[in-house]
Amino acid sequence: DTEVTQTPKHLVMGMTNKKSLKCEQHMGHRAMYWYKQKAKKPPELMFVYSYEKLSINESVPSRFSPECPNSSLLNLHLHALQPEDSALYLCASSPRDRSSYNEQFFGPGTRLTVL
Amino acid sequence: AQTVTQSQPEMSVQEAETVTLSCTYDTSESNYYLFWYKQPPSRQMILVIRQEAYKQQNATENRFSVNFQKAAKSFSLKISDSQLGDTAMYFCAFMARITSGSRLTFGEGTQLTVNP
Repeated sequence: DTEVTQTPKHLVMGMTNKKSLKCEQHMGHRAMYWYKQKAKKPPELMFVYSYEKLSINESVPSRFSPECPNSSLLNLHLHALQPEDSALYLCASSPRDRSSYNEQFFGPGTRLTVL
Repeated sequence: AQTVTQSQPEMSVQEAETVTLSCTYDTSESNYYLFWYKQPPSRQMILVIRQEAYKQQNATENRFSVNFQKAAKSFSLKISDSQLGDTAMYFCAFMARITSGSRLTFGEGTQLTVNP
């Protein structure tokens, strides 16, 4: 299994809602990432988990809360979002192995719309 | 800090022809990787090709090849025999091997359109 899966594909939520994005990989990778991508722009790194511990937090607002329950799963909990948070949210994973490229494998993304 | 520059926001090419996408980068690192990712309208980011900085030989993957000029800090992507399915946004990306873990620095992207 060489893919990263993300659910849901699309999500529409109001500013008072609480929702979660889910990401899963079964490649044995030990690093997982959340990115935010606006249209026609490159992905912006939000969070990095390495060996299930949060290793990078790019000063993301607290209305975004990441969680890594185990080495295969990564969640992003959303609460009280703003319309400007509407974007494509990409998950990625990489081996975190000194012998490899540490190439990142991306999921198909969740298109989030905040009303 | 690293920067990646893609100077061509948009490009177009006729089917079956060859096109080259430009990428330059700036870094003080000596050990790093460079990548080209493709993002078609389906949104999935797909790795096209990768290059280790210490390897002088240019990477190739089927119709895709790179021209890696380390001294000039240039990493261009050549697509031969362009196909309609190559239509996508292409991102050049840099990763320092040691100091930044697995952090990727992306360029702004080049939108490539392959015309029939």
